[in-house]
Amino acid sequence: GESVGLHLPTLSVQEGDNSIINCAYSNSASDYFIWYKQESGKGPQFIIDIRSNMDKRQGQRVTVLLNKTVKHLSLQIAATQPGDSAVYFCAETLDKAAGNKLTFGGGTRVLVKP
Amino acid sequence: GAVVSQHPSWVICKSGTSVKIECRSLDFQATTMFWYRQFPKQSLMLMATSNEGSKATYEQGVEKDKFLINHASLTLSTLTVTSAHPEDSSFYICSASKTGLWEAFFGQGTRLTVV
Repeated sequence: GESVGLHLPTLSVQEGDNSIINCAYSNSASDYFIWYKQESGKGPQFIIDIRSNMDKRQGQRVTVLLNKTVKHLSLQIAATQPGDSAVYFCAETLDKAAGNKLTFGGGTRVLVKP
Repeated sequence: GAVVSQHPSWVICKSGTSVKIECRSLDFQATTMFWYRQFPKQSLMLMATSNEGSKATYEQGVEKDKFLINHASLTLSTLTVTSAHPEDSSFYICSASKTGLWEAFFGQGTRLTVV
């Protein structure tokens, strides 16, 4: 039968502008969150992570915000570049004892327009 | 760095045959590896947790007799798709983590096409 999520939401952004990608996670007990970038035909690539005891973390050109009250995660990309075009997934780890068993969000496709 | 390599990158097989996919951690030991499946335009879905020296733990709805997992060493896990059918065509991805650390490192994925 037809699967949910056959069409990834797409964010079109002009080169040089900032991008904001949002993710709602499911489990309030999740302790660790990660953003991944996936280019076509490749495996996910780590971008940035954040622990549940933090609400903001910055990397190079990227910032992750965590709002535990509403179970929301966002990824901000500054000065978006053509190489940022990809699908972005958030992921959560439910239980540290389970190792890095990840639950992935649905994904957002980012298209950077020159 | 931490590199996880999958082999093959892509494979085409006939319906009814079996296909083996390898996942290797090249520069670190991984007690646990994970296998995911990804259909086009969809997210990654965890299939099973592969534990070195013990039986894999499968997610609900994943047939353990169809997707055989072997984790014989700290650097190698294999996924065998038995009696493959066209509906098994998908992108299969593994991940591995260094013991005691959060970050998961992903392989480059294997595109399986069953004809």
